Amino acid sequence: EVQLLESGGGLVQPGGSLRLSCAASGFAFSSHAMSWVRQTPEKGLEWVSGIGGRNQDISYVDSVKGRFTISRDNSKNTLYLQMTSLRAEDTAVYYCARFRGDSYGYDFDFWGRGTLVIVSS
Amino acid sequence: DIVLTQSPDSLAVSLGERATINCRSSQSVLPSSSNWNRLAWYQQKPGQPPKLLIYWASTRESGVPDRFTGSGTGTDFTLTISSLQAEDVAVYYCQQYLSGPATFGQGTTLEIK
Repeated sequence: EVQLLESGGGLVQPGGSLRLSCAASGFAFSSHAMSWVRQTPEKGLEWVSGIGGRNQDISYVDSVKGRFTISRDNSKNTLYLQMTSLRAEDTAVYYCARFRGDSYGYDFDFWGRGTLVIVSS
Repeated sequence: DIVLTQSPDSLAVSLGERATINCRSSQSVLPSSSNWNRLAWYQQKPGQPPKLLIYWASTRESGVPDRFTGSGTGTDFTLTISSLQAEDVAVYYCQQYLSGPATFGQGTTLEIK
């Protein structure tokens, strides 16, 4: 059974940092590109960042470039999102999502349950 | 970026009746070298992550009931629920994965009339 389990969310002050993790199981992790998608009531679903199965093709939405870093450890079947210089507008539920294949040209066929990030003083 | 606009924003349908949700893209999501539209539909229930229903615009994901049908090509797409069940109450999103950042429609809330 495919499982994606996010962790690392929480309350952080503006300008602070958080590291999200997504532990994957039940599939060949390195064979799939992975992504972080966030959701807010105001903006809906927003793709944040993606990474290929072998750490290739890393990409970010413009609003997080230079502040967020995606990475993966295929030996640990884990996806990460290092978030720095956090802003109030980064407040959201962050989902880990699996691409059907090893590139961005596929749908998200599995999603984790999400982790809530709140940026507030 | 490709913008997806869903209509309507909300919809109330009687149990057993047909529900239709539309998704229009600001540009075609059909690659010139392919017959497969890069469009997916997701269902999201309260407190749950999105769940994939349809990909390649019309391919039903494994385990999804056959009352869910995706259709359309190019820039105009439709998700049809042929006979609404109580468990179909949810927010539905379309998503394109052709180019640039993946983008989502704003969502359509489906309720029981």
